[in-house]
Amino acid sequence: DTGVSQDPRHKITKRGQNVTFRCDPISEHNRLYWYRQTLGQGPEFLTYFQNEAQLEKSRLLSDRFSAERPKGSFSTLEIQRTEQGDSAMYLCASEGGPATQYFGPGTRLTVL
Amino acid sequence: QKEVEQDPGPLSVPEGAIVSLNCTYSNSAFQYFMWYRQYSRKGPELLMYTYSSGNKEDGRFTAQVDKSSKYISLFIRDSQPSDSATYLCAMSEQAGTALIFGKGTTLSVSS
Repeated sequence: DTGVSQDPRHKITKRGQNVTFRCDPISEHNRLYWYRQTLGQGPEFLTYFQNEAQLEKSRLLSDRFSAERPKGSFSTLEIQRTEQGDSAMYLCASEGGPATQYFGPGTRLTVL
Repeated sequence: QKEVEQDPGPLSVPEGAIVSLNCTYSNSAFQYFMWYRQYSRKGPELLMYTYSSGNKEDGRFTAQVDKSSKYISLFIRDSQPSDSATYLCAMSEQAGTALIFGKGTTLSVSS
């Protein structure tokens, strides 16, 4: 199965530390999205890449967050100086047909 | 008012029941409508995808879109305990843009 994969699946960190998450999309998909989901809420959009170009960023993406997609393959999402409010599930999705986004299993972040 | 409204439930039904899940939205520019199923602590799984208005059927699942009323539905026939999950509606204006999600409805099917 060559679905979307994410690593790590769980991350526990202390407030103020930096964390980095990785997403490997479905290989033939050019578009890659990052979302954040908190308990009892639907996923909220963070940012979006077409190939290596970051085309859109949500206002949720503060300057402590940065995302990259070198060479248009995998993507990384880094959070600097983590805060307790960053605790959430971070989801990656890649887009196949029009608007059909396939999600990975997510990375669950806990900031102590 | 949020762009997409979805009753969080919980919704509890006996095995074999027909389940109706619904979302309303305010943005008339939405053209793509999706339903995702999410099990606890897992990523959302795409169930149904509809472009514009109309119905779409896939096995026990039927998705309906009524753009005039800004209302979408997902019907599950012959519900099974394995259908117990959170169901998220999502929509977008065009391809290559972010999906806007509802909060999700938690469904429990008892055997």
